[in-house]
Amino acid sequence: AQSVTQPDIHITVSEGASLELRCNYSYGATPYLFWYVQSPGQGLQLLLKYFSGDTLVQGIKGFEAEFKRSQSSFNLRKPSVHWSDAAEYFCAVSVNNAGNMLTFGGGTRLMVKP
Amino acid sequence: GAVVSQHPSWVICKSGTSVKIECRSLDFQATTMFWYRQFPKQSLMLMATSNEGSKATYEQGVEKDKFLINHASLTLSTLTVTSAHPEDSSFYICSASLGVAREQYFGPGTRLTVT
Repeated sequence: AQSVTQPDIHITVSEGASLELRCNYSYGATPYLFWYVQSPGQGLQLLLKYFSGDTLVQGIKGFEAEFKRSQSSFNLRKPSVHWSDAAEYFCAVSVNNAGNMLTFGGGTRLMVKP
Repeated sequence: GAVVSQHPSWVICKSGTSVKIECRSLDFQATTMFWYRQFPKQSLMLMATSNEGSKATYEQGVEKDKFLINHASLTLSTLTVTSAHPEDSSFYICSASLGVAREQYFGPGTRLTVT
């Protein structure tokens, strides 16, 4: 069975600083990987997804993620964080390329200092 | 497009009563809907998957008699928490997709508090 680990439970960055959220997965076959963001009391919004091809994928809100098969990682990055980026971020893996049967990581709470 | 709503957004009920949560796909027909549960500061745990017109498939450890799921139409699924207890207090999130192999779109969630 697949599993997803987000090593950092909380991360605090200053506004304007760069951001990297870590995600490691365990899956025997080709993974389909996703990053979601959840604002307090809200549902999840898809930031980006990786199915195949270019290992650097661009998403909404200026986010990008890089798939590294050798490290079983799919880290999320943003060059300059805005205060509105403060939220909970979830990495997820799916057994198919549609995002069904998602397995979520534990989440990383991002706080942004002014 | 691809908007999913949930109603109510929050509910408080007394122990022993039942609560119904609705999940609607507003601008598309959702063949498949999913129900998740999220405890505070934790990740989402899939409770069940439902396909329109058929019985829901529950994940291991989820009591099907306690969490009744009905997916009677292509735009509506309901989750009924029967005989609720304080330990059922949680954030319940639904998602909908156009089919079993299609992307999920998430609702805003329903916070249930059982007193």
